[in-house]
Amino acid sequence: KQEVTQIPAALSVPEGENLVLNCSFTDSAIYNLQWFRQDPGKGLTSLLLIQSSQREQTSGRLNASLDKSSGRSTLYIAASQPGDSATYLCAVKLPGSSNTGKLIFGQGTTLQVKP
Amino acid sequence: EAGVAQSPRYKIIEKRQSVAFWCNPISGHATLYWYQQILGQGPKLLIQFQNNGVVDDSQLPKDRFSAERLKGVDSTLKIQPAKLEDSAVYLCASSLVRQGSGIQYFGAGTRLSVL
Repeated sequence: KQEVTQIPAALSVPEGENLVLNCSFTDSAIYNLQWFRQDPGKGLTSLLLIQSSQREQTSGRLNASLDKSSGRSTLYIAASQPGDSATYLCAVKLPGSSNTGKLIFGQGTTLQVKP
Repeated sequence: EAGVAQSPRYKIIEKRQSVAFWCNPISGHATLYWYQQILGQGPKLLIQFQNNGVVDDSQLPKDRFSAERLKGVDSTLKIQPAKLEDSAVYLCASSLVRQGSGIQYFGAGTRLSVL
């Protein structure tokens, strides 16, 4: 059974700091891995998606890496800003087609960036 | 492009009462998902539809939860009767079948409090 864990549960950093959020999963047989952002009272927004054959994806100040063999992914945020404060969730898609594989979510890391 | 619409945004009921949530996916998205997100946890898939058909409902408590998707567009999720442990945010998401990555787009959710 696939399980996804995110550590730490909460993180507080001063503005401008670079930071890393961690995600681990128990079964390396995945279709892809996604990082989402969730703001209070709102739904999830997809930030980055890494296919199982890829090692990393970048978007602006965000960089996500994937190491399937070790069951780990990291989300690197450069030069953090107060607007980055949110809960970050990682999710693995189980094998199957792109639309039938189930997403298994971690519990999230709540990030606070202090001005 | 309009996003995934959900209503109501908030609902407070007493245990043993019934409640229904509504979701309108992004136009043209054949796949629709209902997730349950308990406070402090990641979303858990309850049911997935492909057009009118159910793809996965393995984690739907079928003794009290039901869902339907009429004409492959809008969907309703019903709980009858509600229990205290059903207090959560119920998220609806949709994705485009032909999109290779199957990225899911989420609505803002319905926050349910069962007293």
